[in-house]
Amino acid sequence: GENVEQHPSTLSVQEGDSAVIKCTYSDSASNYFPWYKQELGKRPQLIIDIRSNVGEKKDQRIAVTLNKTAKHFSLHITETQPEDSAVYFCAAPKGDDYKLSFGAGTTVTVRA
Amino acid sequence: EPEVTQTPSHQVTQMGQEVILRCVPISNHLYFYWYRQILGQKVEFLVSFYNNEISEKSEIFDDQFSVERPDGSNFTLKIRSTKLEDSAMYFCASSVGQAVSQPQHFGDGTRLSIL
Repeated sequence: GENVEQHPSTLSVQEGDSAVIKCTYSDSASNYFPWYKQELGKRPQLIIDIRSNVGEKKDQRIAVTLNKTAKHFSLHITETQPEDSAVYFCAAPKGDDYKLSFGAGTTVTVRA
Repeated sequence: EPEVTQTPSHQVTQMGQEVILRCVPISNHLYFYWYRQILGQKVEFLVSFYNNEISEKSEIFDDQFSVERPDGSNFTLKIRSTKLEDSAMYFCASSVGQAVSQPQHFGDGTRLSIL
């Protein structure tokens, strides 16, 4: 299946600073890349996704960039706030698979 | 906004017992999934279901596991003879289309504890 690597595993930032999480994937046929935010004990919640026909997508303080040549995509959170503290997972499907392969997750802590 | 709903939120079961986890996917979604998350680890795919049959399953989804859509709204995961290592959070998800291009929406999960 698709192999998704995610870095870093933990990230601590000062409130107001930016946070960047990077993921790489193995299957060049993958063309849809969602990011999920999971607060403690809660469901993974889709926060943003990108398809391979675009290189960047923004939604308020969140952006995702995609480099298909290098097979990596990144989540950028600007002006971080305490409520951004959570575990963030990247994911990718393999080709036309029915499943998502998830990265190992990044625990983001925003210090007030 | 429509949501995927799961019951129960927490299930405690003795090892060797059967357990059924229930999910109600979003009503206009056609693809259904079960994922598992062991405490502190990443979300792992178990099985996908489309058009009343399994479309894909992982190596975790062995003969002890089965899925069913018994009626027009429910989607269930059955573990026939539970083991200690089955203890995890089980998430149901659904999507309008295939994973390759359509977002999957997750339920709140069922925490399964095997004693």
